[in-house]
Amino acid sequence: EDQVTQSPEALRLQEGESSSLNCSYTVSGLRGLFWYRQDPGKGPEFLFTLYSAGEEKEKERLKATLTKKESFLHITAPKPEDSATYLCAVQAGDQAGTALIFGKGTTLSVSS
Amino acid sequence: DGGITQSPKYLFRKEGQNVTLSCEQNLNHDAMYWYRQDPGQGLRLIYYSQIVNDFQKGDIAEGYSVSREKKESFPLTVTSAQKNPTAFYLCASSHPNRVGGEKLFFGSGTQLSVL
Repeated sequence: EDQVTQSPEALRLQEGESSSLNCSYTVSGLRGLFWYRQDPGKGPEFLFTLYSAGEEKEKERLKATLTKKESFLHITAPKPEDSATYLCAVQAGDQAGTALIFGKGTTLSVSS
Repeated sequence: DGGITQSPKYLFRKEGQNVTLSCEQNLNHDAMYWYRQDPGQGLRLIYYSQIVNDFQKGDIAEGYSVSREKKESFPLTVTSAQKNPTAFYLCASSHPNRVGGEKLFFGSGTQLSVL
């Protein structure tokens, strides 16, 4: 069974304190791994897509990496506005248009 | 501006009542999806549609129904058979990509509560 597990469930950081969020996955044929940011009461906002092991992508203070079993979202020198829930999802199989499988998310709180 | 519009933002259901959540997209995407999100939980797939007039059940389809008569629209009906409907409902769409994974674009969600 395809599944996604995120850890930790919650993370509290001081402003400027770098850390990483983990997403481990088990899928039969990875088409893509996705990171989203979700603010309370809103829809998820797309951050990154990673397709193959060894791939890395960056956007401002965020950097996503991918191995054959897990992905990390590294947050460098976070600011309070980075506080949100970060969702990891995978798309599996060999057919286009299949739905994403989501983890439960990591809720990040950054205090000044 | 292109995007996905969900309405209403808040919806209240009385016991025994069916309610319909609207989802419209102008992104010209072929695939559309409905997810349910409960507090502290990830998104769980209810139904998805890869093409007009066709749709498939997701992991938690019981108590829900959908239709896909137009490419732009994918309404979700929460029936009285769904005994625990209180949740945040998210609609999404994507453009199929034979090469690799397709990212989903999400609407702003509908919060459904039971009176």
